[in-house]
Amino acid sequence: EVQLLESGGGLVQPGGSLRLSCEASGFTFRNHGMSWVRQAPGKGLEWVSGISGTGGSTYYADSVKGRFTIYRDNSKNTLHLQMNSLRAEDTAVYHCAKDGRTISYFDYWGQGTLVTVSS
Amino acid sequence: QSALTQPASVSGSPGQSITISCTGTSSDVGGYNFVSWYQQHPGKAPKLMIYDVTNRPSGVSNRFSGSKSGNTASLTISGLQAEDEADYYCSSYTISSTLVFGGGTKLTVL
Repeated sequence: EVQLLESGGGLVQPGGSLRLSCEASGFTFRNHGMSWVRQAPGKGLEWVSGISGTGGSTYYADSVKGRFTIYRDNSKNTLHLQMNSLRAEDTAVYHCAKDGRTISYFDYWGQGTLVTVSS
Repeated sequence: QSALTQPASVSGSPGQSITISCTGTSSDVGGYNFVSWYQQHPGKAPKLMIYDVTNRPSGVSNRFSGSKSGNTASLTISGLQAEDEADYYCSSYTISSTLVFGGGTKLTVL
């Protein structure tokens, strides 16, 4: 059974940093691209970033480019999202998702971790 | 990258069919057969319902079907059931090697 478990969310001040993690199990992690998708309170889904199975290719939405970094540790089946220079508009539940095909569709999702950016 | 355009809400009675549209551009929906659809119940993670425009993952009811014409993709749900009441989101791969979602459609089963 595929499981994705996010952690690392919390309250952070504007301009601050946070690192999210996603522990994956139930599939061969290194063989699949992974993504982060966020959902602001009461709002729709927004794709944030994606990474290939090897980690050699990364992709970002314009809204986070230059501030967020996605990376993975295939030896630990873990995906990360380093978030710097956080803004109020980054407040959202961040879901980790397994790519059915890199940056195309997501066949499994985690429950998400809440990030709140506020002073 | 602008969000894909979906109707804010649709409704139907049990047993009826409804269609949700998803309009983009030639740089996303119209340019690739990489449109997918997700169902999200309140407080839950999204669930993949359709991928690559028309394909259903294993376990998804055949009451759900997808199609595309030009820059507009569509999700059709036939034989509406109460459990289908949820938010639905489309997404598409884009020419910029990113992915864009629609704004979401709230489906109400009357």
